[in-house]
This record gives sequence, C-alpha cells and structure tokens, in this order.
Amino acid sequence: AQSVTQLGSHVSVSEGALVLLRCNYSSSVPPYLFWYVQYPNQGLQLLLKYTSAATLVKGINGFEAEFKKSETSFHLTKPSAHMSDAAEYFCAVSDRGSSYKLIFGSGTRPLVRP
Amino acid sequence: NAGVTQTPKFQVLKTGQSMTLQCAQDMNHEYMSWYRQDPGMGLRLIHYSVGAGITDQGEVPNGYNVSRSTTEDFPLRLLSAAPSQTSVYFCASSLGGNSYNEQFFGPGTRLTVL
Repeated sequence: AQSVTQLGSHVSVSEGALVLLRCNYSSSVPPYLFWYVQYPNQGLQLLLKYTSAATLVKGINGFEAEFKKSETSFHLTKPSAHMSDAAEYFCAVSDRGSSYKLIFGSGTRPLVRP
Repeated sequence: NAGVTQTPKFQVLKTGQSMTLQCAQDMNHEYMSWYRQDPGMGLRLIHYSVGAGITDQGEVPNGYNVSRSTTEDFPLRLLSAAPSQTSVYFCASSLGGNSYNEQFFGPGTRLTVL
C-alpha cells in the first residue's frame, strides 16, 4: 500500500531563511504527488502538484518542490521564510487515475522565528 | 460558486447518538470524498464516490455510512457515535476522468463525542 512519510512535525526556521519540509513516498510506480497547506481552522489548499511533467514544480506563495525518483522524495522548499508561512503543510500521494483517493503524510508545521 | 460547503461547523454528540454530516458542491464534480483529520495523523480517507449512486470504502470506513443520490450531495452518517470518532471531518470534490484533477476541500466539521 502507498504511504507517505513527513519527518518532523515541527521545523524551526528564522524569518528570511530557507524553508525545507521533507516528504518521502513509498511506491514502485511514480504516483501523483501534492503539497497542501492548512491555515488554522480552515480547509486544505493545494500548493503544488507533480503529475509527471517537469520534476521541479513551482507553486503558490513562492513554494516549489522537486520530484526525485531515485530518492522517492518530493521535498518542499521556499527560499525565504515569512511569518505568514506559519501553517501546517501536508504531503499527499495518489495513484494515477485515482484522484479521489489521497494518502496524506502526518503534516509538518514550520515555526518561523523573527 | 460556493465551492464545497459543509454543515454543521461544530457538533457535540453523546456516545450512541446518530447524526449526519452534510456536504454539498456546486462545481458539477463527479468525484467526492470524506476524510477525517486527527492530530499527528494527517487526513485519512473514510469513503468516496465516483458518481451518483456509486460509493466505496476508504482506509477507515468502520462506523460510517454514505450514499450519493445526486451529483451535488454526499452526506456522511454516523449510526452510533463513539468517542473514537471525535475528529475534524473534511469533504472534498474533484472532476472525474483519468488524469489528475485537483481536490477541493470544504472548511470542515469539528465533531466531539462525549
């Protein structure tokens, strides 16, 4: 079965520094991969997605992620952290043709220090 | 468009009570799904539907029933609530088809079972 691992429920980062949120998936066939963001007391919003086009994917709010098949990873980065990035970020996968069935990681929350 | 709407926003139940969480979408999406979110566990798929009259179980279906009589609505029923069902519930919808289509999430229903 598919699974997604997000290492670290919290990541401390200084404002202006690089944000790196890690995601690894388990699948022998490259799945579709996504990053969602959840602000407090809200639903989930899609940040970006990988569906087998370019391996470097750019999303909203300055975030990007790189698909690395050899490492089964899809880490999320942002060059410069901002206080407004304080939210919970979820990595998710789905099998091709099953977009209604997302499997989520446990989430990571960046703690942005001034 | 209102997108995906969920009612109620908050609900407190006693053990053994039943209730229905409502979900509606006005985007003519073929696929709809229900997830629950628990601390440290991300979101887990409860049930999903690939069209009116068609439903199937996800990862954690026990204790929940669904039906889909129209394209717009996908209610989730708790027949006999248990404290283990205390969670935040999210409904999502997406277009059908084989290629990936983004899932749009509702704002969630926060359920407490005493």
